[in-house]
Amino acid sequence: NAGVMQNPRHLVRRRGQEARLRCSPMKGHSHVYWYRQLPEEGLKFMVYLQKENIIDESGMPKERFSAEFPKEGPSILRIQQVVRGDSAAYFCASSPPGRVDGYTFGSGTRLTVV
Amino acid sequence: TQLLEQSPQFLSIQEGENLTVYCNSSSVFSSLQWYRQEPGEGPVLLVTVVTGGEVKKLKRLTFQFGDARKDSSLHITAAQPGDTGLYLCAATSGTYKYIFGTGTRLKVLA
Repeated sequence: NAGVMQNPRHLVRRRGQEARLRCSPMKGHSHVYWYRQLPEEGLKFMVYLQKENIIDESGMPKERFSAEFPKEGPSILRIQQVVRGDSAAYFCASSPPGRVDGYTFGSGTRLTVV
Repeated sequence: TQLLEQSPQFLSIQEGENLTVYCNSSSVFSSLQWYRQEPGEGPVLLVTVVTGGEVKKLKRLTFQFGDARKDSSLHITAAQPGDTGLYLCAATSGTYKYIFGTGTRLKVLA
């Protein structure tokens, strides 16, 4: 887990504010995946990115959510105009290029919308 | 829609007991993983299985992939309090996208 860095660990936002979640992948990993975990549920795929490219965003809500992975810097998951239902743990995972035989996850960002 | 069902959902046992948890689906997968997640942390990969019938051992943990690659089991021998956590299975049909089960929450009492 130590290799994938997510921040902040905890984030509290009021309804209508923006939330920005950051993820730095493990050294040598160029693929990033974002998953969301609702209380008492499993993880749900949101988006898969490579440097400067969104490969698959099929699991991400069409409105208010966006993700990027710039050439330099961490991957960012952005949630605009947050609502109470966005409260969840958001996990980032990374992998090297090629076949994925399991993820290395970060410790997650726990978003609470009040 | 592919689903992974895990059972039991909750399990509370005494230290030293054995246990088995299951991960079932009606879909065929090319690869299946087991993760353990502790409170406040991300899931940690325990094992990946790819061949039908494959058995892998990790100390006191034994993982098996079903012959038809639709299900898997995790057996823990002589459970210890340190085994406490949420056990998640995850599977893919050959892409980067994994679906996760809802997990088995294990508590081992000293």
